[in-house]
Amino acid sequence: GAVVSQHPSWVICKSGTSVKIECRSLDFQATTMFWYRQFPKQSLMLMATSNEGSKATYEQGVEKDKFLINHASLTLSTLTVTSAHPEDSSFYICSARVIGGSLHFGNGTRLTVT
Amino acid sequence: AQRVTQPEKLLSVFKGAPVELKCNYSYSGSPELFWYVQYSRQRLQLLLRHISRESIKGFTADLNKGETSFHLKKPFAQEEDSAMYYCALMGQGAQKLVFGQGTRLTINP
Repeated sequence: GAVVSQHPSWVICKSGTSVKIECRSLDFQATTMFWYRQFPKQSLMLMATSNEGSKATYEQGVEKDKFLINHASLTLSTLTVTSAHPEDSSFYICSARVIGGSLHFGNGTRLTVT
Repeated sequence: AQRVTQPEKLLSVFKGAPVELKCNYSYSGSPELFWYVQYSRQRLQLLLRHISRESIKGFTADLNKGETSFHLKKPFAQEEDSAMYYCALMGQGAQKLVFGQGTRLTINP
């Protein structure tokens, strides 16, 4: 089956630093990947749609300069949280859709900003 | 606007009892509806989608356009069904999923 790998699983960083999260589709190509954010005991909120070879599409209220998305290949999308602050601490989840099929999710990355 | 509402944050039933997790949606066109499940310490995974009309792990869900609902049902709950369940909607021609708030289902022995 289709597998989406997300790395790292968890990361702790100091306030003001940047963190990069990778999302890979292991056995399929994904022209589109999605980045979600989940606060404790809350639902997944779509942050942005990552498009291979073009700019990401951000949801309303999501700062594109804060959350940089790069989709350099058909199997890799990265989310960089720039100048992280404690309020950026959250669970970030990526997903990718098999062409004509279902969405598959990564295991998520728990980011803690101290 | 697309919106998915799961009115119950928590649902607890006894093993062997019927289960119904409610999901209502708001969308002007013809949406595609999904149920996702997240077991403890595992990733989110697709449980079923309305267009496939299949039963997975004994769960079924029928899209009721009149009531704009997509409730998830299982006649006899099992302990391994304890998990977090999310209802999700995809609009026509769209690729992104909009999720409900989720319902934590606990099956008591």
